[in-house]
Amino acid sequence: DAGVTQSPTHLIKTRGQHVTLRCSPISGHKSVSWYQQVLGQGPQFIFQYYEKEERGRGNFPDRFSARQFPNYSSELNVNALLLGDSALYLCASSPDYKAGGYQPQHFGDGTRLSIL
Amino acid sequence: AQSVTQPDIHITVSEGASLELRCNYSYGATPYLFWYVQSPGQGLQLLLKYFSGDTLVQGIKGFEAEFKRSQSSFNLRKPSVHWSDAAEYFCAVGAPGYSSASKIIFGSGTRLSIRP
Repeated sequence: DAGVTQSPTHLIKTRGQHVTLRCSPISGHKSVSWYQQVLGQGPQFIFQYYEKEERGRGNFPDRFSARQFPNYSSELNVNALLLGDSALYLCASSPDYKAGGYQPQHFGDGTRLSIL
Repeated sequence: AQSVTQPDIHITVSEGASLELRCNYSYGATPYLFWYVQSPGQGLQLLLKYFSGDTLVQGIKGFEAEFKRSQSSFNLRKPSVHWSDAAEYFCAVGAPGYSSASKIIFGSGTRLSIRP
């Protein structure tokens, strides 16, 4: 079975532009989370979606937005790009979302975004 | 608030030697604890996790970790490293009772190099 797939793998943008990153979860997984990993740091949580609804949001500005589609795939959008947005963006999928219980996360290989 | 400290930024060990990567966490109760590995250009792979019970946890690829409540530590160990173990290792902590990915905090990582 295919794992979490992300596209594109690499992307170069300039300051002020907009970018859309895409994620397809593992078949049967209904929850998708997005993380930002700046070089030399651990991943930081951005969003979690389940059944097309936002279930969690990290400490990121409103320039960051996301959505989940009926087939459970997801898009992360970033507007007005800044140099500091250069990072590896990771998507992770989980089978479900249950309050009070652990759901294993399976990570994709990420999209490397470079801002010039 | 939860936090994770990985005091070693970079460690080099000889192939066949033993390995211990340090992790300290800050949390009011016993958290969920995780170790992830990230190879260059790839996403995160879960090595092992601790929720409760036996404080010595076995993971994949011959890794183990020991939870020590008195020291707020969750160090990762391997008796004999292989060249293929060269990667970035992340310790992470999650809040029990929450399924949301937003409750998982990652450390800044330890880069492991293997000396032939």
